[in-house]
Amino acid sequence: TQLLEQSPQFLSIQEGENLTVYCNSSSVFSSLQWYRQEPGEGPVLLVTVVTGGEVKKLKRLTFQFGDARKDSSLHITAAQPGDTGLYLCAGAGTGGFKTIFGAGTRLFVKA
Amino acid sequence: DTEVTQTPKHLVMGMTNKKSLKCEQHMGHRAMYWYKQKAKKPPELMFVYSYEKLSINESVPSRFSPECPNSSLLNLHLHALQPEDSALYLCASSQDLSTSESRQFFGPGTRLTVL
Repeated sequence: TQLLEQSPQFLSIQEGENLTVYCNSSSVFSSLQWYRQEPGEGPVLLVTVVTGGEVKKLKRLTFQFGDARKDSSLHITAAQPGDTGLYLCAGAGTGGFKTIFGAGTRLFVKA
Repeated sequence: DTEVTQTPKHLVMGMTNKKSLKCEQHMGHRAMYWYKQKAKKPPELMFVYSYEKLSINESVPSRFSPECPNSSLLNLHLHALQPEDSALYLCASSQDLSTSESRQFFGPGTRLTVL
């Protein structure tokens, strides 16, 4: 069974701080997605990484896919209160098309 | 247009009621999904439709009945639900089921409360 483990589960930081969220697995994924979800709303797709070692930037967010395509990280620079939300990583397994979700990282950025 | 719409936004129903959740996308996606999400948990897959045919049923109780009338619409019919079925129900779509195009776009969800 393919699993995605996210860490930390919860993070509370001050505005302006940097943070990194990790998404790890013992399995290879053909691609990984990162979503951000606010309470009562659906997840919003932030990025998809496909190639091992790939780095993508979205303003203050930097996403990296591990060389072996088993892990990914999300780094936020100078966090703002608007970054508050649930960050989910999700992966498409190589053996099928079912998407696997991590348990999520709940981020709270205090002004 | 990268939007997936869902109606209603909120739904309160009794255990004897019959109701339906609706989902629509106009991105030309041929795969559509229903997920259930409980508070502080990730989404759990319920059903997957590919080219309007049911591809995956994750052992969901028969009180949940999905329907895909056409490539843009996905319904979830609800009957005789239990209070533990209260959750956020999310619809999603993707281009198709191939792993290279698996990124899913989610709707805003329907917050369901079963009394």
